[in-house]
Amino acid sequence: EAAVTQSPRSKVAVTGGKVTLSCHQTNNHDYMYWYRQDTGHGLRLIHYSYVADSTEKGDIPDGYKASRPSQENFSLILELASLSQTAVYFCASSDGDSQNTLYFGAGTRLSVL
Amino acid sequence: GDSVTQTEGPVTVSESESLIINCTYSATSIAYPNLFWYVRYPGEGLQLLLKVITAGQKGSSRGFEATYNKETTSFHLQKASVQESDSAVYYCALGDLAGSFNKLTFGAGTRLAVCP
Repeated sequence: EAAVTQSPRSKVAVTGGKVTLSCHQTNNHDYMYWYRQDTGHGLRLIHYSYVADSTEKGDIPDGYKASRPSQENFSLILELASLSQTAVYFCASSDGDSQNTLYFGAGTRLSVL
Repeated sequence: GDSVTQTEGPVTVSESESLIINCTYSATSIAYPNLFWYVRYPGEGLQLLLKVITAGQKGSSRGFEATYNKETTSFHLQKASVQESDSAVYYCALGDLAGSFNKLTFGAGTRLAVCP
């Protein structure tokens, strides 16, 4: 069974603080992704990675950094959290073929106050 | 850019009733889009419900069906008789068949509540 685990599941952060969201996959997948979802909107791609030690910008990368230290782990870093980054964040993994399924984690609800 | 529009939720139906969740798409940058339905059950991550790669084809899973209609740019999700366990959030998405990875464009999701 494919598994993507996110931590924490929820977090409250202060404006200007640093936030790190973690993702771990046991699928042996090359590709990993970070999406965010705002209420009433679809998921939007922030960063993705297709190999360890390399990350790529998605559609909305501003204000976010990503880190892929190993095939299994992919972190999303908010160096200076802002109110506008309050959202639900989803991590996902896939084999990389465009027809292949994405496997998602359960999400992290981030509230920036 | 590419976009997906789906039925705004929440949608409430009674058990054993029929269901349709509308999904229309605009694929301005993708010549041959894949179409997907993902579902998110409470406390879980999104999981693939069904996908269709070829226009005119129908996908089905767990009693749900969706037909890829290129003429009307639609991919509506239907089920003849829903169960309480179908209560979840449903996401329509499109992807780039020719892309090097599965970059998906999602709709906002439709929350379905099935009443016993």
